[in-house]
Order: sequence, then C-alpha cells, then structure tokens
Amino acid sequence: KAGVTQTPRYLIKTRGQQVTLSCSPISGHRSVSWYQQTPGQGLQFLFEYFSETQRNKGNFPGRFSGRQFSNSRSEMNVSTLELGDSALYLCASALGYSGNTIYFGEGSWLTVV
Amino acid sequence: GNSVTQMEGPVTLSEEAFLTINCTYTATGYPSLFWYVQYPGEGLQLLLKATKADDKGSNKGFEATYRKETTSFHLEKGSVQVSDSAVYFCALSPETSGSRLTFGEGTQLTVNP
Repeated sequence: KAGVTQTPRYLIKTRGQQVTLSCSPISGHRSVSWYQQTPGQGLQFLFEYFSETQRNKGNFPGRFSGRQFSNSRSEMNVSTLELGDSALYLCASALGYSGNTIYFGEGSWLTVV
Repeated sequence: GNSVTQMEGPVTLSEEAFLTINCTYTATGYPSLFWYVQYPGEGLQLLLKATKADDKGSNKGFEATYRKETTSFHLEKGSVQVSDSAVYFCALSPETSGSRLTFGEGTQLTVNP
C-alpha cells in the first residue's frame, strides 16, 4: 500500500510569505506528526494530531500551525516566513495514538529567500 | 523528559568492516525504540524497531537489542557495504501519551570500497 505522501516536494518562498504543506498518511493511519530538520538543529518535533485534535506541540512559535482533516490528511502552515525556516519538513504517520510504528514521508524541502 | 544520546560521527569504515553505533536513552516506562536511516536528499526510512525489553530488531543485516538495564539500543552490522552509507538516527516514542519521537543527533556513516 502507498506510504506517507507529502506535497509539494520542493518549494521556494520569499521572506514574509506563507506556505502550506500537505501530508497524506498511510491508509488507515490516524496519527500524523510533523518534524523540522535542519543541519544545525537536527530533527525537531513540531506537532502531532490524532482524530483531528492536536495532541502534542513542540517548541515552535505561533507562526507554525497545523490541522488534521476527518480523512486523517494533515496540513501545516508557516506564516510570515523567515530565512531560518528553510528546512526539510517531514510528516510521519502511525496507526494509533501510542505504541505504534511510525513511518515517514519523503519530506518537503522549503527554501526561504 | 525523554532524551536520546547517540554516538557522535562521522564514522568511516571500509567495506565488510563491523559496524557499531551506540545509542542510549532516558525515558519513563517502556518506550518503543527505533533506528531510522536517511539517504542523501531523502526522508527517513524505518530500519528496525523494538517495543519491549530484550527484543531484538533486525533488518537488512542490521540488528539492535533493547537493553532496559543499560537503557541502550546499539545498532550493529557484521559486514557493511558501500550502499549502507547514510545518516542513522536512533529514536524513541513514549509508552503512552502519543507518538512523538525523540531523536538522537544522527550518525553519518561512510563506507569506502
């Protein structure tokens, strides 16, 4: 079956703009989480959704937001982009809320210029 | 809080050498433990996992054993190949309260022919 699908794969934005990234989890998976990966900070947790509710949130400013739809698909939004937001954004999905294997998508590469 | 400490890299080996990448963790209860691998320009691929003490995860010749007494989950492979060159991440997810992954810093492995 299909894995975690993220779109777009690559994008370039200008400072001050906003961006929306999309994630389709593995079929049947109800938990979706997002991570930011940068060379300096490594892999950092952004937020986690289960059954359309945000269950956990990492230490990121309010410019970073997300949501989950009834079909478990998720989007994350970053407003007022800064150069430091340039990163690989990874989406992951799991079958249930806890204790499950977590699978990642290929990521969305965001460059802010 | 939860934390993962991973052997610092980079690690450079010759083909057919033995590989060990150390990973220790701090967490309450019985977290699930994972090794993920990231090839250049790609997302994270699940390499192996273990969900309870003394479990051994294995895949593609890689192995890791969940050691509760030493809070460790070291990755080993008896004979590495050039194609194993990648970045390896040790991670844990909590026993309860969600699927949030805590990652180690990552270890860059380069295997020379």
